Amino acid sequence: SQTIHQWPATLVQPVGSPLSLECTVEGTSNPNLYWYRQAAGRGLQLLFYSVGIGQISSEVPQNLSASRPQDRQFILSSKKLLLSDSGFYLCAWSGPTGELFFGEGSRLTVL
Amino acid sequence: RKEVEQDPGPFNVPEGATVAFNCTYSNSASQSFFWYRQDCRKEPKLLMSVYSSGNEDGRFTAQLNRASQYISLLIRDSKLSDSATYLCVVNEKGGSYIPTFGRGTSLIVHP
Repeated sequence: SQTIHQWPATLVQPVGSPLSLECTVEGTSNPNLYWYRQAAGRGLQLLFYSVGIGQISSEVPQNLSASRPQDRQFILSSKKLLLSDSGFYLCAWSGPTGELFFGEGSRLTVL
Repeated sequence: RKEVEQDPGPFNVPEGATVAFNCTYSNSASQSFFWYRQDCRKEPKLLMSVYSSGNEDGRFTAQLNRASQYISLLIRDSKLSDSATYLCVVNEKGGSYIPTFGRGTSLIVHP
């Protein structure tokens, strides 16, 4: 069966520091992968999606970037965090009819 | 950006009640529809898909009205454990699925 893992689960970072969140999927090949952010009390905002290795589509211009170095690995990065980057970051892969399966999320607090 | 709208609630209902949520979407070309459940500080989890013919799973019934561009979720015989936020998701498809989430409807079931 398919599983998805993301880490770290929780992190507290100072403004201006770098960020790296990692997500891996097991049990499927060439999945569509997604990064979402959920700010406190708000809905899920699609940040990036990828349909294959090295293929990244950005939905929202910002200081974040994403990479897909391997088929089942999706990384979210930032060179310099802003206070507004705080939130709950969720990685997901999509099934055959577009249903999403999420990792457990990474809760980022920028101070 | 295509919109998916939900009443944020909260819907505050007693155990055993029947409760219904609606979700409207603006893109008439949307192709697949889902309801997710999200518990506090957790990742969303797929509750059910929404088919044109309707879909029932135990106490939960989902329906799609393409003409009026809305989907609905009906919960019968509410349980305390149904308390959560219910997210509606609408997918466009242009080569790959682009899921758009509503902001969610909060349900509180009380004794």
